[in-house]
Amino acid sequence: KAGVTQTPRYLIKTRGQQVTLSCSPISGHRSVSWYQQTPGQGLQFLFEYFSETQRNKGNFPGRFSGRQFSNSRSEMNVSTLELGDSALYLCASSSTNRGPNEKLFFGSGTQLSVL
Amino acid sequence: GNSVTQMEGPVTLSEEAFLTINCTYTATGYPSLFWYVQYPGEGLQLLLKATKADDKGSNKGFEATYRKETTSFHLEKGSVQVSDSAVYFCALSDRGRDDKIIFGKGTRLHILP
Repeated sequence: KAGVTQTPRYLIKTRGQQVTLSCSPISGHRSVSWYQQTPGQGLQFLFEYFSETQRNKGNFPGRFSGRQFSNSRSEMNVSTLELGDSALYLCASSSTNRGPNEKLFFGSGTQLSVL
Repeated sequence: GNSVTQMEGPVTLSEEAFLTINCTYTATGYPSLFWYVQYPGEGLQLLLKATKADDKGSNKGFEATYRKETTSFHLEKGSVQVSDSAVYFCALSDRGRDDKIIFGKGTRLHILP
C-alpha cells in the first residue's frame, strides 16, 4: 500500500509569490491534515479536510488556504509569501475512524524556502 | 486549550545509555497520548500510544506510561542505539473537545557510538 505522497519535495520561491503544495493520502483515507514544521515552533496545525470539507483550522493568516478533491487528494496554497513562511510542510492522512486510537500517517514533506 | 510541553533538546547520549524524554500535557478532557518519531529526511511515524490513564505504550524497546496524576507521558528506553538518533514528538488527541491532534515542539536525540 503506497504511503502519503507529497510533491514537490523542495521548493524555492521569492517573497510575494504564491505556492501550491500537493498531498496524496493513503488509499482509502479520507482525512488529510496539514502541519507547518519549523525549528523554533515545532509542528503547528494548519487545517484538516475530510470529504472535501474543512473540518478544523489552526491559527494561521488567511494567506494559507487549502482544499480537498473528491479523490481525497489535497492541496494547500500560500499567497504573498513571506520569509517567515520558510518551513517544512507536512501532510498527514488518517482513516475515517476518528477517536482515541486514530493514527496519523505522514508524508516526507515539502521543504519551502522563501528568499 | 490543550497543550503539550516536552523537554528542550538536543539530547546527546552514548550508545547503550538510558534515555528519558519528558512530556507533560494540559487537557480538559481525557486525551489519548502519542509519541511520534521523525528520522532524518522523513515524515513522522507513530512510535507508541496510550489511550487511558495507567496504560503503557511500548514499541522497539521504547516505553511510555500515561500518568494522569502528574499529567505526564515520559518516553524511556533502557539502552539506546545509534539508529535511535531522530526527533521525537509527544502528541495529544482529544477529539471529543479540541478536535485536532496537538504536537510538542520535538526533542532532537543524538546517539554517539
